[in-house]
Amino acid sequence: AQSVTQLGSHVSVSEGALVLLRCNYSSSVPPYLFWYVQYPNQGLQLLLKYTTGATLVKGINGFEAEFKKSETSFHLTKPSAHMSDAAEYFCAVSPLSGGYNKLIFGAGTRLAVHP
Amino acid sequence: DTGVSQDPRHKITKRGQNVTFRCDPISEHNRLYWYRQTLGQGPEFLTYFQNEAQLEKSRLLSDRFSAERPKGSFSTLEIQRTEQGDSAMYLCASSLDPLLTPEQYFGPGTRLTVT
Repeated sequence: AQSVTQLGSHVSVSEGALVLLRCNYSSSVPPYLFWYVQYPNQGLQLLLKYTTGATLVKGINGFEAEFKKSETSFHLTKPSAHMSDAAEYFCAVSPLSGGYNKLIFGAGTRLAVHP
Repeated sequence: DTGVSQDPRHKITKRGQNVTFRCDPISEHNRLYWYRQTLGQGPEFLTYFQNEAQLEKSRLLSDRFSAERPKGSFSTLEIQRTEQGDSAMYLCASSLDPLLTPEQYFGPGTRLTVT
């Protein structure tokens, strides 16, 4: 069965500092990979996705992630944190079997940005 | 296009009562998903529709839960004889054919509190 592990339930950075949120997955075949962001009392917004091709993917709000098959990782980074980045971030995989993509989520990482 | 909408946004009910939630997907999306998110956790898959057909149900979806998508448009999720353990955020998502584009677009969720 596929699973997703997000290392660190809480991450705190200073404004302007590098953001690094870690995600590792287990899958017998390369899945589709996603990062979503959730602001308080809101639904999930897609930040970026990896399907095939280039392993470094760029998303919205200056975020990017790199798919490393050998490490089964899909870490999310942003060079310079902004106060508005404070939110909960979820990594998800999709096995894409049966013609649909049931998403399997990690437990989430809450990002705090302090001045 | 206004995105995925869910109604109500909040529902407080007493244990043993029945509740029904509604999801209106993005109009051209024929795939619709329901997820449940408990506090401090990532969303968990509940069920999936392709058009009006319900093609998969998670083991999380006990016999007290039922979902429909008449005419392949909006969907409803009903919980009968609610229990305190049903308290959670219920998220709806929709997508096009994932083989074409795998993104799922989420609604704002319905937060259920069972007292």
